Amino acid sequence: GAVVSQHPSRVICKSGTSVKIECRSLDFQATTMFWYRQFPKQSLMLMATSNEGSKATYEQGVEKDKFLINHASLTLSTLTVTSAHPEDSSFYICSASFGSDRDPYEKLFFGSGTQLSVL
Amino acid sequence: AQRVTQPEKLLSVFKGAPVELKCNYSYSGSPELFWYVQYSRQRLQLLLRHISRESIKGFTADLNKGETSFHLKKPFAQEEDSAMYYCATHRGGDYKLSFGAGTTVTVRA
Repeated sequence: GAVVSQHPSRVICKSGTSVKIECRSLDFQATTMFWYRQFPKQSLMLMATSNEGSKATYEQGVEKDKFLINHASLTLSTLTVTSAHPEDSSFYICSASFGSDRDPYEKLFFGSGTQLSVL
Repeated sequence: AQRVTQPEKLLSVFKGAPVELKCNYSYSGSPELFWYVQYSRQRLQLLLRHISRESIKGFTADLNKGETSFHLKKPFAQEEDSAMYYCATHRGGDYKLSFGAGTTVTVRA
């Protein structure tokens, strides 16, 4: 199946710094990319949806100035956690889709996730 | 907004025994329902979706509108089935997925 590459897999940073996470679709052009956050032993919570060339749509309660999303091309979306704090420590997962209008779920693939630890 | 509920966080069965993972949804229309699986140290991947009516790796899931359920079943569990399983549904008209809390399945020898 198609591959979504997410980097880095693990990052540790100091409080107050910014961290960028990349999500790439390796062998297809992703019309839409999704960013999720997952706390230990809990479900995936959708943070935002990004479409190439347009502003990301954030879910209620997600600070857009805190979690900057850029989807500059059909194969790359980035999530930047700005001024990170310990409470931002979490597992972040991206997914990429090239589904058709007929079936948006036709091709939806997930990255392997990034474990962010903020000290 | 529709959501799915997975009442069991942990499920432990012996190899060869049947396994059933429960999922209930809340949606008044025609739902799109999925089961995703995450094996240890691997990414989330689609196991099956209700419209395909397929059996994947021996797993089946039937949509029961009367009970608003989409339980995942396998008659004979294997050790390689040990994983985290998520039930998911789309949310309204925007095609975004909403995931259940997940069930960790452990198949013991």
